[in-house]
Amino acid sequence: GAGVSQSPSNKVTEKGKDVELRCDPISGHTALYWYRQSLGQGLEFLIYFQGNSAPDKSGLPSDRFSAERTGGSVSTLTIQRTQQEDSAVYLCASSSYPKASAIPYEQYFGPGTRLTVT
Amino acid sequence: QKEVEQNSGPLSVPEGAIASLNCTYSDRGSQSFFWYRQYSGKSPELIMFIYSNGDKEDGRFTAQLNKASQYVSLLIRDSQPSDSATYLCAPDSGGGADGLTFGKGTHLIIQP
Repeated sequence: GAGVSQSPSNKVTEKGKDVELRCDPISGHTALYWYRQSLGQGLEFLIYFQGNSAPDKSGLPSDRFSAERTGGSVSTLTIQRTQQEDSAVYLCASSSYPKASAIPYEQYFGPGTRLTVT
Repeated sequence: QKEVEQNSGPLSVPEGAIASLNCTYSDRGSQSFFWYRQYSGKSPELIMFIYSNGDKEDGRFTAQLNKASQYVSLLIRDSQPSDSATYLCAPDSGGGADGLTFGKGTHLIIQP
């Protein structure tokens, strides 16, 4: 079946502009995660959605970052007034939390969006 | 603050040898552990999951967990060039509400 999809695959933007990154999780997966991976760094967890519940936003790096998930499916991560330090690959993952998966909480990652802020 | 430590490498291993990757973690509440493999320019993929102390074997991969020492390792037997990748360790406190805290990963190079 179809995996996690993300768009765009690449985004180049000027400093100060707003960007929107989109994630379409695996059908039926109720949990959705956003991570950020900067050059030479590990994966940094940003935010998690479980169904339609309000997310815990404490992992977002600044108030310029926001995320929403509509209808318990597609999610968008918005970065306002982008800065050069926002340049990274933004990865989305989904899982069939909590009991449907053979491996609890196994997260399936999308291909990522490479964001470059010039 | 959860911390996950991995030797960033690169770890160079000759083809056919055993590659040993190590991970230590700070959160004693961690109940299960994931090993993800990430090829250059690609997204991570799950290769091993362990939640009990001791060893878990899956093909050429063996995960070893020691909760008392807060240590988890991944052994790759009969290493192949296709195993060359970055391996990420991620302890899970259970519930997924915090997402996963990944180590920075160990870059493994299998030399033909």
